[in-house]
Amino acid sequence: NAGVTQTPKFRVLKTGQSMTLLCAQDMNHEYMYWYRQDPGMGLRLIHYSVGEGTTAKGEVPDGYNVSRLKKQNFLLGLESAAPSQTSVYFCASSQRTGGATGTQYFGPGTRLLVL
Amino acid sequence: AQTVTQSQPEMSVQEAETVTLSCTYDTSESNYYLFWYKQPPSRQMILVIRQEAYKQQNATENRFSVNFQKAAKSFSLKISDSQLGDTAMYFCAFIAGGATNKLIFGTGTLLAVQP
Repeated sequence: NAGVTQTPKFRVLKTGQSMTLLCAQDMNHEYMYWYRQDPGMGLRLIHYSVGEGTTAKGEVPDGYNVSRLKKQNFLLGLESAAPSQTSVYFCASSQRTGGATGTQYFGPGTRLLVL
Repeated sequence: AQTVTQSQPEMSVQEAETVTLSCTYDTSESNYYLFWYKQPPSRQMILVIRQEAYKQQNATENRFSVNFQKAAKSFSLKISDSQLGDTAMYFCAFIAGGATNKLIFGTGTLLAVQP
């Protein structure tokens, strides 16, 4: 099992450009999440999905959109990148809530630099 | 509001010694789950240990153990026989359960293991 994978690993964008980050998991997990990590802060939830075809806003959703067309994939889009979106982005997945099944497993991260 | 506080931004320990990382949290929920994640320089988020709030027994995973004090809302991590590979950022995190399984992270403690 590859677990949770993220594409790309690193990207440089100019202000105003758009891009899509791809997250894929092969653990048949229902729940998927996108976080961002900034210096001096823990991870903050951007958007999440509790199943195929469903998405919801997290703590810091502005400037991002997501889609979950297939159970194993969760896409994070930036329509018009801004320097404030320079960050490391993590995807995670989990089974349904509760106990060990609620444990989230993380991808390796995508480093995004917006100039 | 649900929060997680890690009051030690940085810590240092000699190889083979024991170190304890502190974490406090705030919630009004009675059923929840607590986690410690490790983030080495590779940036990968690795689950170290988890604790269910309804269990009184402290969780243990090899050299890692927790001291869970529910009344005090404290969840500290003890690393015994510290190894150079333990050098990493350690994040305390909390899930209150419910339908979304959203993780709330602390700001992290950077642990350096000295040879």
